Amino acid sequence: EAGVAQSPRYKIIEKRQSVAFWCNPISGHATLYWYQQILGQGPKLLIQFQNNGVVDDSQLPKDRFSAERLKGVDSTLKIQPAKLEDSAVYLCASSSGGSGIVGDTQYFGPGTRLTVL
Amino acid sequence: KNQVEQSPQSLIILEGKNCTLQCNYTVSPFSNLRWYKQDTGRGPVSLTIMTFSENTKSNGRYTATLDADTKQSSLHITASQLSDSASYICVVSEGREYGNKLVFGAGTILRVKS
Repeated sequence: EAGVAQSPRYKIIEKRQSVAFWCNPISGHATLYWYQQILGQGPKLLIQFQNNGVVDDSQLPKDRFSAERLKGVDSTLKIQPAKLEDSAVYLCASSSGGSGIVGDTQYFGPGTRLTVL
Repeated sequence: KNQVEQSPQSLIILEGKNCTLQCNYTVSPFSNLRWYKQDTGRGPVSLTIMTFSENTKSNGRYTATLDADTKQSSLHITASQLSDSASYICVVSEGREYGNKLVFGAGTILRVKS
């Protein structure tokens, strides 16, 4: 079974530039998550999709971050404009459930390491 | 506020030794607790999962315990190997209608030396 794919793996940009990350979840997984992981911290949920609808985006800085999930499969996360504090690893995860299923396992991609100079 | 606290922050042990990592949480409503292993440059991988009624769960050399009354969990690693060097993250699921929301601890960085 193929895992969660993310690209690019690394990105270096200057502040105020724009950047986009791509995620391809495990086939058939209804739920997709984007996390931000700052060095030395655990991942923080940015946004959760159930199919192509947003379930939770309460911690997404909507003035600069946006995300979409086209046709309920692939997803893109965009930052425009980037700030220094956006330097982090952006993890995408997917799970098959999403309807309150106990034990629904999230499978994580390798992440995209973003450095903002 | 739902939080997950882990200790120690980092740990260095010799190959072959055992170690125990701690996790305290205040997440409510509680759905389940997982321990994840995150290798450098990789995404987290689930090691164990325990629901409210489970006290212990093993996965090879990894044994997790859960005390739902005191809201504490531990991860015990037996006969450590160099490949165990990683960050171990305690994750508690907050039960919600549309998928469990995961609350992550900051992780314990384990380094196993030869």
